[in-house]
Amino acid sequence: NAGVTQTPKFQVLKTGQSMTLQCAQDMNHNSMYWYRQDPGMGLRLIYYSASEGTTDKGEVPNGYNVSRLNKREFSLRLESAAPSQTSVYFCASSEAGRGHEKLFFGSGTQLSVL
Amino acid sequence: KQEVTQIPAALSVPEGENLVLNCSFTDSAIYNLQWFRQDPGKGLTSLLLIQSSQREQTSGRLNASLDKSSGRSTLYIAASQPGDSATYLCAGPFNQAGTALIFGKGTTLSVSS
Repeated sequence: NAGVTQTPKFQVLKTGQSMTLQCAQDMNHNSMYWYRQDPGMGLRLIYYSASEGTTDKGEVPNGYNVSRLNKREFSLRLESAAPSQTSVYFCASSEAGRGHEKLFFGSGTQLSVL
Repeated sequence: KQEVTQIPAALSVPEGENLVLNCSFTDSAIYNLQWFRQDPGKGLTSLLLIQSSQREQTSGRLNASLDKSSGRSTLYIAASQPGDSATYLCAGPFNQAGTALIFGKGTTLSVSS
C-alpha cells in the first residue's frame, strides 16, 4: 500500500537550475496538491488539481508550474530555482467532493537551492 | 480569504495529563475542519475530519470539536503519552468549493515520561 509517492527525497540545486518534483498516488484519488513547508511559515499551498485536466493556483504559486499528467501523477516544476525556494515540498491527494476531503500526504522532498 | 491560527505554538506536559489544542479560523462559512499529526522529518497524517453538520469527532483518546459560530476548533487529547509528542496542525478549506486546504502553523507537543 504505497499511497502517495514523491521523488526525489533530497535534492540540491544551484540558483538558476531547473528541476521537476514527481508525485504519484495509487488510491484512485481525483484531487492532488503541492505544499511547501518552511520554519515559522507553516505549510502553504502552491498549486492544486481538483480533478484530472484542471490545475489552480494556491497561496504561493509564483516561481512554480505544475502538470497533472494523468489521474495518478502530478508534477511540480521549478524553471529557474532561487534560494527562496529552499523548502520541504509535500504532495498530497484526496477524493473529490464534500465528505471526502481527508488528505493523504507523501513523505516529502527536501530541496536546497544554493 | 480563510486564515487559520493555532495557539499555543508549543506545549510541554507530563505524561498522563489531559490537554487541549486550539485552532481558530476567520471564515465562518467553513464546512469542514481537519486535524493532522506530523512527526519530525515525516509527512502529515490525518487524524480527524469534522464536517460542519457534526459538532465533534472522536478517535481513541482524541476528540475534536468544531464551533462555526465562534470560529474555533479544539483537539482534546486524553491521558497523554510520550508517543503523542509531535506537531499537530489544523486545516480548513482554501476556497468556497473546498477543493484545497490551508493550514495553521501547528502546535508542537512534547509529553515527558
